[in-house]
Amino acid sequence: DVKVTQSSRYLVKRTGEKVFLECVQDMDHENMFWYRQDPGLGLRLIYFSYDVKMKEKGDIPEGYSVSREKKERFSLILESASTNQTSMYLCASSPVVRNSPLHFGNGTRLTVT
Amino acid sequence: AQTVTQSQPEMSVQEAETVTLSCTYDTSESDYYLFWYKQPPSRQMILVIRQEAYKQQNATENRFSVNFQKAAKSFSLKISDSQLGDAAMYFCAYRSEAGNTGKLIFGQGTTLQVKP
Repeated sequence: DVKVTQSSRYLVKRTGEKVFLECVQDMDHENMFWYRQDPGLGLRLIYFSYDVKMKEKGDIPEGYSVSREKKERFSLILESASTNQTSMYLCASSPVVRNSPLHFGNGTRLTVT
Repeated sequence: AQTVTQSQPEMSVQEAETVTLSCTYDTSESDYYLFWYKQPPSRQMILVIRQEAYKQQNATENRFSVNFQKAAKSFSLKISDSQLGDAAMYFCAYRSEAGNTGKLIFGQGTTLQVKP
């Protein structure tokens, strides 16, 4: 079974702090994704990566950056956390296979106060 | 750009009954994939069912089946013999065939309540 592990289940940070959300997958998947989940809005793509050191912006990249130095690890960075970044963050991975679904982690619920 | 719409924020069903969750999408592409995911209170996103657009036959997985209407751009999920464990948020998602980036576009979600 594919395992996607997010380092924190709950996180509370202060406005202005730099925040790192870490995600690790154990199935050698090429693609990795960061989504943000908000009530009534579903899941929205922040960034994705299709290879080490390669990244592309998703639909809502403002205020975020990412890092993928190793194939199994994909980090989401909030350079200066703001209260409107309070949300659930979901990491996912997938292989480069046409009809492959995404495999998700358990999510990190981030609160910025 | 593609969009996915789930117009039912909440649905409820009696245990053992059948319920249908609606999903519509907008795309100009002819080849794509559609998915339904379930998110229980544990927050773990679980794949329920997938459909390839080039297949005319509707996908089925045990009690879960879809009604895929390509011309109408509709992809509804039918849950038969509903069980208490089916209570969750359900998301419809679209994946483009182009580019093979693997990224999914999600709908807003439907919360399903199952009444005993």
